[in-house]
Amino acid sequence: SQQGEEDPQALSIQEGENATMNCSYKTSINNLQWYRQNSGRGLVHLILIRSNEREKHSGRLRVTLDTSKKSSSLLITASRAADTASYFCATDERFGAGTRLTVKP
Amino acid sequence: NAGVTQTPKFQVLKTGQSMTLQCAQDMNHEYMSWYRQDPGMGLRLIHYSVGAGITDQGEVPNGYNVSRSTTEDFPLRLLSAAPSQTSVYFCASSYPGGEKLFFGSGTQLSVL
Repeated sequence: SQQGEEDPQALSIQEGENATMNCSYKTSINNLQWYRQNSGRGLVHLILIRSNEREKHSGRLRVTLDTSKKSSSLLITASRAADTASYFCATDERFGAGTRLTVKP
Repeated sequence: NAGVTQTPKFQVLKTGQSMTLQCAQDMNHEYMSWYRQDPGMGLRLIHYSVGAGITDQGEVPNGYNVSRSTTEDFPLRLLSAAPSQTSVYFCASSYPGGEKLFFGSGTQLSVL
């Protein structure tokens, strides 16, 4: 069974806009991770946030974690066409179904 | 660095055939795992290993076998392929603690 579930399933935005993806999970966690997958490729680790952290930044990425709501969000600021990919959250090596992000030039 | 290497990249099997998907990593990672990815379902864990000689089942282990004779290699065996095993298979590895997974580029398997 999947631990995380991403929302929305698909997101289409214009270049320069911000993209927000959400993840909900079911059980208590030690950390939550976000991965990116380009079409036809393997997943690449983006960022990890620990259960005692509320927010974390990495370049244009901002991740928040609300353990009381069992949810996390990934914000990509000033999106680029190259950000077009699927984004997955994962806890304890279990992955959600992903959000398919399309950034139009 | 090669990272995690999977072979083959593509494979077509007939129902009932057996085959082995190869996975090798050169990062001296203790933890290795196999996932399958189906449309709309994300990745599901098949089997994993926390070190040489140790393997365990994930969410969807039926129809698959694994072994871990060395730290570097973690092959996945399909004993008798079924159409339901048509999927993209990913191998991943990580340092002890399994926080950040490194993925191979995948094997696309079709069972006819």
